[in-house]
Amino acid sequence: QKEVEQNSGPLSVPEGAIASLNCTYSDRVSQSFFWYRQYSGKSPELIMSIYSNGDKEDGRFTAQLNKASQYVSLLIRDSQPSDSATYLCAVNSAGGSYIPTFGRGTSLIVHP
Amino acid sequence: GAGVSQSPSNKVTEKGKDVELRCDPISGHTALYWYRQSLGQGLEFLIYFQGNSAPDKSGLPSDRFSAERTGGSVSTLTIQRTQQEDSAVYLCASSPGSQSNYGYTFGSGTRLTVV
Repeated sequence: QKEVEQNSGPLSVPEGAIASLNCTYSDRVSQSFFWYRQYSGKSPELIMSIYSNGDKEDGRFTAQLNKASQYVSLLIRDSQPSDSATYLCAVNSAGGSYIPTFGRGTSLIVHP
Repeated sequence: GAGVSQSPSNKVTEKGKDVELRCDPISGHTALYWYRQSLGQGLEFLIYFQGNSAPDKSGLPSDRFSAERTGGSVSTLTIQRTQQEDSAVYLCASSPGSQSNYGYTFGSGTRLTVV
């Protein structure tokens, strides 16, 4: 059974700090990795996708992928209170089912 | 449309009644997914449509749940004889195709409350 694990948190960081969110997955043939942000009472929103080992940067967000260690992380630089949300990691495998496996999410709180 | 549209946004129903939830995906998106999310819980996959292929119904929790997708576009999720444990937010998502590197765009959801 494919599993995606995230620390539920909450992860609390001060405004301006770097928030580091981590995700591990069990399926070695996983190919595509996504980070979604979900504000309280809202639906998830795709913020990052990554497919190759290494780092991918988009503004204040950096996704990091290490397939050998089976983990993917999301770094948020210069964290703002508006970044406070639950961050969901999703993992998809090549071939077969195209239904990604979602983690249960990490709650991030950025305090002023 | 510009985004994934779901209706109604809120639905309160009496236990035992049937409900229909609607999803209108982004124009041109061939893949459509239904999930539900209970309070404080993760996303629970329900059903997946891709083009004209037979849907993947492996996530439907019971035979009271069914879904259809007409003309490869709008989808309706039907819950018969609703129970209190069906109360949740039902989320629809679409993506451009079935390739594993596509992310989803979610609709704003339907909050279902069974009383």
